[in-house]
Amino acid sequence: AQTVTQSQPEMSVQEAETVTLSCTYDTSESDYYLFWYKQPPSRQMILVIRQEAYKQQNATENRFSVNFQKAAKSFSLKISDSQLGDAAMYFCAYRSTGNQFYFGTGTSLTVIP
Amino acid sequence: GAVVSQHPSRVICKSGTSVKIECRSLDFQATTMFWYRQFPKQSLMLMATSNEGSKATYEQGVEKDKFLINHASLTLSTLTVTSAHPEDSSFYICSAIRTSLNEQFFGPGTRLTVL
Repeated sequence: AQTVTQSQPEMSVQEAETVTLSCTYDTSESDYYLFWYKQPPSRQMILVIRQEAYKQQNATENRFSVNFQKAAKSFSLKISDSQLGDAAMYFCAYRSTGNQFYFGTGTSLTVIP
Repeated sequence: GAVVSQHPSRVICKSGTSVKIECRSLDFQATTMFWYRQFPKQSLMLMATSNEGSKATYEQGVEKDKFLINHASLTLSTLTVTSAHPEDSSFYICSAIRTSLNEQFFGPGTRLTVL
């Protein structure tokens, strides 16, 4: 089975600054999707950004961007101009060819005013 | 965006009873839905894949006789926790794949407490 590893249980960032959350994964598949989800205290999972493995270009969504290194099996999330509303748990996820999702252990992000 | 609902949002039951949780895709048809379990301050653990019209596929270590899944229609999947015990207390989240968008949408979750 695929494994997803987030090595940073907690991170903090000053408001308006930039923070990078790390994620690595292990797979033998060549075609897959990677995701970052945000889970605020409400527990509702919210899609932040996704990356298709066959695309070399890193995905970007407004203040959120990824650094996808396929050979290294690394998929980090960069949050620019951090806002108080960005505070949440962030989960990295892998979607297999069978459409199953596997999640990392999460990174709790604190935004300091 | 697409909406997935879960009912109930919270349930408290006595040990030994069964509890049913519903997951509905409100504005799209979902041939595949997923059920996850999340312990406090931990990640989502995939329990099973629910396929409309066929048997669910369970992840290793998940008891299929304890966690009964029925995907009777293209908009509804149910998870029944049978003979619930306190260790089954957890947050259960469902999700549905919207094929046209190639995206997964999550329900708001159900908190189960077994006394």
